[in-house]
Amino acid sequence: NAGVMQNPRHLVRRRGQEARLRCSPMKGHSHVYWYRQLPEEGLKFMVYLQKENIIDESGMPKERFSAEFPKEGPSILRIQQVVRGDSAAYFCASSHALGTGEAFFGQGTRLTVV
Amino acid sequence: GIQVEQSPPDLILQEGANSTLRCNFSDSVNNLQWFHQNPWGQLINLFYIPSGTKQNGRLSATTVATERYSLLYISSSQTTDSGVYFCAAAYSGAGSYQLTFGKGTKLSVIP
Repeated sequence: NAGVMQNPRHLVRRRGQEARLRCSPMKGHSHVYWYRQLPEEGLKFMVYLQKENIIDESGMPKERFSAEFPKEGPSILRIQQVVRGDSAAYFCASSHALGTGEAFFGQGTRLTVV
Repeated sequence: GIQVEQSPPDLILQEGANSTLRCNFSDSVNNLQWFHQNPWGQLINLFYIPSGTKQNGRLSATTVATERYSLLYISSSQTTDSGVYFCAAAYSGAGSYQLTFGKGTKLSVIP
């Protein structure tokens, strides 16, 4: 688990600001997933990416949220014009390959919108 | 999509007791994982077990894919076992292996 690196661990934003969450997958992993966990709930899938491609974004809100996984560098989850309802823990997971689906999670970024 | 249900939602144990957590899923799965979310929020991989039985120390898990359930056994529980246990399942729809999580079992182990 320690191999998936997320930063920052905690992020405070005022309403209307932008939040950028970063995720570096485990070495050798080319599949990245983002999940959101609201208080007292399980994790909900948001988006699945491979390098330079969004494969499945069926769990992403239609507005203000976007994700990328560039050829170089970490995956980024971007939330524009944050609202209080965006306050949650955002987890990134990575896996080795589609056929070997075990996912490993980072420590999460806890976003608080004030 | 796939549905994942966990039971019981809450469990309080005396230190040293054993417990069984259950996970039911609604469809065929390619991936089933158990996680422990500790009080600090970290998600720890316990088992990757789409079928069969595995053991790791005091923990073991069994998945009966044909009957669509998985069980997590915790023996001789310790206070450090406290936290939320999540079951998550995935199916190969549209080329994506995203996990669907249950709502979790919140375990409290008291001295």
